[in-house]
Amino acid sequence: GDSVTQMEGPVTLSEEAFLTINCTYTATGYPSLFWYVQYPGEGLQLLLKATKADDKGSNKGFEATYRKETTSFHLEKGSVQVSDSAVYFCALWSTGGGNKLTFGTGTQLKVEL
Amino acid sequence: DTAVSQTPKYLVTQMGNDKSIKCEQNLGHDTMYWYKQDSKKFLKIMFSYNNKELIINETVPNRFSPKSPDKAHLNLHINSLELGDSAVYFCASSPAPQGKAEAFFGQGTRLTVV
Repeated sequence: GDSVTQMEGPVTLSEEAFLTINCTYTATGYPSLFWYVQYPGEGLQLLLKATKADDKGSNKGFEATYRKETTSFHLEKGSVQVSDSAVYFCALWSTGGGNKLTFGTGTQLKVEL
Repeated sequence: DTAVSQTPKYLVTQMGNDKSIKCEQNLGHDTMYWYKQDSKKFLKIMFSYNNKELIINETVPNRFSPKSPDKAHLNLHINSLELGDSAVYFCASSPAPQGKAEAFFGQGTRLTVV
């Protein structure tokens, strides 16, 4: 079945540092890929998405590129802020996976001054 | 103008009780979901409804019963609550069950069984 593997956290960075959170997937067919963010005490919000190979999703300075050859969708940001502290979830949506979002385990990011 | 709203936000109850969590979406979406988030933040789908019909039912105990009176509502009823049911439950909706559409999530209901 479909699965998503994310790097384990927590990840602790200083403000203005470069962020990479790795995400790889296994899926049947051609899934859509998403990054969701969960701020403390809140629900999940879509951060960005990509629906086909080589698409780049971007939002709020975050980027991720759909790499079919490496089955990856790594999240990057050039300069993190304290307000980026949250849990980040990589997810995929495939019809072969039962028409549902399959999530990775989440990566907690803490940004310090 | 909350898109997906859940009530209550917090629920503390004793083992053996029966409780319900309500969910409503005002986005006009056809599909709604319930997800469970455990203490390690892992998210797993429980149920999915499309236009009031059940389309996904993961391996969930029979004590959990979703009910969709119309396509804007998907409530979750839990019988005979157990300690292991303690978690955060998220309702979500999307325009369709298949495809590339974004799912919108509610704020979550933190259920604590004591």
